Amino acid sequence: EVQLVESGGGFVQPGGSLRLSCVLSGFTFSNYWIHWVRQVPGQGLVWVSRINLNGGTTGYADYVRGRFTISRDYAKNTLYLQMDSLRAEDTAIYYCVRGLTAVSYFDYWGQGTRVTVSS
Amino acid sequence: SYALTQPPSVSVAPGQTAKIPCGGNNIGSKSVHWYQQKPGQAPVLVVFDDNNRPSGIPERFSGSNSGNTATLTISSVEAGDEADYYCQVWDITNDHLVFGTGTKVTVL
Repeated sequence: EVQLVESGGGFVQPGGSLRLSCVLSGFTFSNYWIHWVRQVPGQGLVWVSRINLNGGTTGYADYVRGRFTISRDYAKNTLYLQMDSLRAEDTAIYYCVRGLTAVSYFDYWGQGTRVTVSS
Repeated sequence: SYALTQPPSVSVAPGQTAKIPCGGNNIGSKSVHWYQQKPGQAPVLVVFDDNNRPSGIPERFSGSNSGNTATLTISSVEAGDEADYYCQVWDITNDHLVFGTGTKVTVL
């Protein structure tokens, strides 16, 4: 069974940092990309970042580039999203999601981890 | 940046057909994917590549895409179909994945 399990969310002050984790299981990692998608409660879905589990190629949305860093630890079957210089507008539920390619649909979603940025 | 526009809400009676439009400039040239999200849950893929259903998704869900509008159609609507629905494409210009604004489907 394919599973993506996020953790690491919490409460942080503006300008602070947080690292989200996503543990992957139930599929062959080298064939897929993993993305982060966020959602402010009551609002829509927004793509944040992606990484190729095989070669490590990454991509970022303009509004997080330079502040967020996506990475993977192949040995631990774990994906990370390091979030620095956090702003109030980064407050959201962050979902770890699987994609067949860098630009395709998302076929499996984690349950999400909530990040709150507030003073 | 590329924008996808959806109506905020669509209401439909049980057993009827719901059509959810997703508007975007020349969206017919892109592959469109659709997600269903129920309250408190993560989204679920219901249609991919314009008109394909993942395993386990009822045949009542179908999609079309042409010109400037893609459409998700839900036939014989059931109470359990009440949810938010989002379309999604890849914006090749910015190399971003883009979601529509979302449509809340209410079953009367």
